[in-house]
Amino acid sequence: EVQLLESGGGLVQPGGSLRLSCAASGFTFSSYAMSWVRQAPGKGLEWVSAISGSGDRTYYADSVKGRFTISRDNSENALYLQMISLRAEDTAVYYCARGLTPWGQGTTVTVSS
Amino acid sequence: DIQMTQSPSSLSASVGDRVTITCRASQGISNYLAWFQQKPGKAPKSLIYAASSLQSGVPSKFSGSGSGAHFTLTISSLQPEDFATYYCQQYDSYPWTFGQGTKVEIK
Repeated sequence: EVQLLESGGGLVQPGGSLRLSCAASGFTFSSYAMSWVRQAPGKGLEWVSAISGSGDRTYYADSVKGRFTISRDNSENALYLQMISLRAEDTAVYYCARGLTPWGQGTTVTVSS
Repeated sequence: DIQMTQSPSSLSASVGDRVTITCRASQGISNYLAWFQQKPGKAPKSLIYAASSLQSGVPSKFSGSGSGAHFTLTISSLQPEDFATYYCQQYDSYPWTFGQGTKVEIK
C-alpha cells in the first residue's frame, strides 16, 4: 500500500524557518516526481513545489520562490520542504503528493507571533 | 502561469441529481487535467486524470470530458457521500495550478 506521512509542522514566528518531511513507503520512491501542495484555512488548494524523481529538477510557485527549497533523499524514501522567511500567509496545511495521487494526510504550519 | 476557472463556485443538489462542474484554462493544456474531491478535514482524493481517465477504485458515476481549454466533471447520480468540494488542476506546465473549487451541497 502506498503511504505518505508528513511531519514537521508547528507554530513558528514570522521570519522563522521550518523543515517539513514526508516519509514514503509502498512504492519505488525514486521513480516518481513528488510535490507539495498547501491549503490555507478555509481556502482552496495551492500547488507549492515539485521535484523530479532523481532530484535534478525542481519547480516552485512564485509565492514561495527564493524562500522554500524542495529536496529528496531517495536512499531514505523521504521528501523535504525547507521553509525560511516565513510569513503569516504561509499558514496552511501542507500536503505531500506522489504525482497526482495519493496525498498524505497533511501537516499544519502556523506562522504567528 | 495558467489560470484555472471553475464554475459554479457552489451548487445545491438533491440525492439522485446529475451534476456538472466546468473548468476552463486560460490557455490550451491538451488533456493534462485532473479532478479532485475533498471532504472537510481530509486530504484531497484524485478522481480523474488525463481529463477523462478514472483513477483506480473511483466509481463510474464520476466522468470527465474535454480537451484544450474546456473541461467538465459529471456526477451521474449524486449520493450522500458525494457532497464535498471538487477541484480541477492543470499539470500541463509548471507551476501547476488549481481551480478555486466547487462546493456541492445538499438541497
